[in-house]
This record gives sequence, C-alpha cells and structure tokens, in this order.
Amino acid sequence: RKEVEQDPGPFNVPEGATVAFNCTYSNSASQSFFWYRQDCRKEPKLLMSVYSSGNEDGRFTAQLNRASQYISLLIRDSKLSDSATYLCVVNAGLTGGGNKLTFGTGTQLKVEL
Amino acid sequence: DAGITQSPRHKVTETGTPVTLRCHQTENHRYMYWYRQDPGHGLRLIHYSYGVKDTDKGEVSDGYSVSRSKTEDFLLTLESATSSQTSVYFCAISESALKNEQFFGPGTRLTVL
Repeated sequence: RKEVEQDPGPFNVPEGATVAFNCTYSNSASQSFFWYRQDCRKEPKLLMSVYSSGNEDGRFTAQLNRASQYISLLIRDSKLSDSATYLCVVNAGLTGGGNKLTFGTGTQLKVEL
Repeated sequence: DAGITQSPRHKVTETGTPVTLRCHQTENHRYMYWYRQDPGHGLRLIHYSYGVKDTDKGEVSDGYSVSRSKTEDFLLTLESATSSQTSVYFCAISESALKNEQFFGPGTRLTVL
C-alpha cells in the first residue's frame, strides 16, 4: 500500500463547477499535511496547509480527518487557470529535525469552457 | 517566490559519466532537500541537509551523494550516471522544523543515454 494515495484522474469539469479531491495516508504518526499544485513541467507550489479544524483560502477549502486518515481539497467556482495536477503531501518528520514529505502521485484537473 | 535556483536546468549525459547538480538559495533556510520525480511515482526524497555539512539519506539515495559546504548551496552528485537516473530533479528548502512547508526550485531535467 502506498503511503499517500490519490485518484490520478483526470477530472474534467466545466468552468464554474465545484470539484473535490480526496487523499488517504497510511502513517498515523503523520504530523502535518499540505496540498501542492503542479503545472505541467513546472515545480510543485504550495497551495495550502491543512489543519485539523479545516481551513479555507478563497475558493479552496481543505479538510483533514485524522480518524479516517484522509485529506480533502474542495475547489469552488473552478477557473481555467485551476487546471493542474494537485499533490497531496504528508509530513512524518525526519531525524535531524528536517521534514520528510511524502507525496502522492497527484490528481489531474482539467477545467474546460 | 522563494529564491531558489537550480543549475543546469537541462542536461544530457552518457552512462558512466559523473554529473553534479547545483541548488542555490537566497532565503538562508536551514533545511535543503533533493527529490526526483518520475512518472507513476510521487516525488521521492534522495538526500537532505539539516545544516552546513549535515546531510542524511532519503528513500532513494543509492547512486547519489550530496555536499553542503555553505548554507546557500546544496550539491547533488551522480558518481557514475545510469539510465535509471534519467529524471527530473527538484531541490527544496524549508525554514525550520516548525515552519515545515517546503518550497521548490524550478527543477533540472536530466537525461542519461
């Protein structure tokens, strides 16, 4: 079983739609959680951190369910510019105090006219 | 955007040759990481550094070595490149164990023939 699992998609949605991605993780000791966005042939960019209480940033809402070990990302009012791959990322810590981020393989979103 | 650069951005080399990739940051962050990204896999950690001259292995470290002689530079060396090391290599930085979001450089696309 992969440490972080995501549906690869693609999710093809019309502009203005609401779309949700889920991600499950296997390490119950995981300490922090993130969603990154990656455009084709570019570096991953931090979209948002995910907190236990849930958090919202504009059209984006992230939720964490520790009991079930899953993370979700909701995008409302999708824009063409939201087309990208969304990476679910889990931090389980490292020796030396650094941070071991484990990445899912990503969910591809295509927003269409 | 975080001040992270990688060089070279593209490289084609032959099997058996040594290759060094450079990551340079202007953020004065303590932690630096090298990842590789391949189709069907999430980003995978090769090596990381938690301070000058302090480095440790990640999950796919075989065939790679690193060095960090200055805070701002983290070098990844393939001692004798193999075709299986054809990949996109990303460097990342993070500020501290508490502020543990990682920020990525633009990547190096390496092809080993």
